[in-house]
Amino acid sequence: KAGVTQTPRYLIKTRGQQVTLSCSPISGHRSVSWYQQTPGQGLQFLFEYFSETQRNKGNFPGRFSGRQFSNSRSEMNVSTLELGDSALYLCASSSGQLFTDTQYFGPGTRLTVL
Amino acid sequence: AQSVTQLGSHVSVSEGALVLLRCNYSSSVPPYLFWYVQYPNQGLQLLLKYTTGATLVKGINGFEAEFKKSETSFHLTKPSAHMSDAAEYFCAVSEGHGGSQGNLIFGKGTKLSVKP
Repeated sequence: KAGVTQTPRYLIKTRGQQVTLSCSPISGHRSVSWYQQTPGQGLQFLFEYFSETQRNKGNFPGRFSGRQFSNSRSEMNVSTLELGDSALYLCASSSGQLFTDTQYFGPGTRLTVL
Repeated sequence: AQSVTQLGSHVSVSEGALVLLRCNYSSSVPPYLFWYVQYPNQGLQLLLKYTTGATLVKGINGFEAEFKKSETSFHLTKPSAHMSDAAEYFCAVSEGHGGSQGNLIFGKGTKLSVKP
């Protein structure tokens, strides 16, 4: 079974630009969650999508948004990039049925904002 | 709100020695607890999780953790460290009681070094 894939793996942008990251979950998984990882703040939850609906959201500004498609693939978008948005963005997928379901993480997208 | 505290941002052990990584949580309801490992330039891999039932949880690669409600702890142990265990380890708690399943709250992580 293929794992969670994220594209692109590396991205360099400049301040003020916008960026879109993609995540393909494990086949059959309907939940996709996004996390931001930085040296200072650690791992922080961004949002979760289940069956094309945002089910939960963390404490991030409105510049961070996401969506999920009918095939469960998910994208997150960051508009008006700031230097502080430089981070590793991880997505995780699970069946989404039970709170105890294991979340499987992708390798991440490393975003650098110059 | 739930939170997770990992004591020690860096832990160094000798190969063959006991590994002990500490994790304490705060929660007003029975928590779901997880340990993940992250190797350089990779995502997170689940080592083990506690949901309900047996408080001693066995995971992959010889790791285990014990849920102690009275101490609000979920420390990770491995009897004998191997060089391949060098990585960063994250303890996490799930707000599954009221929120959605996808919201994991992570500790700051502990980097484990293994000396030959």
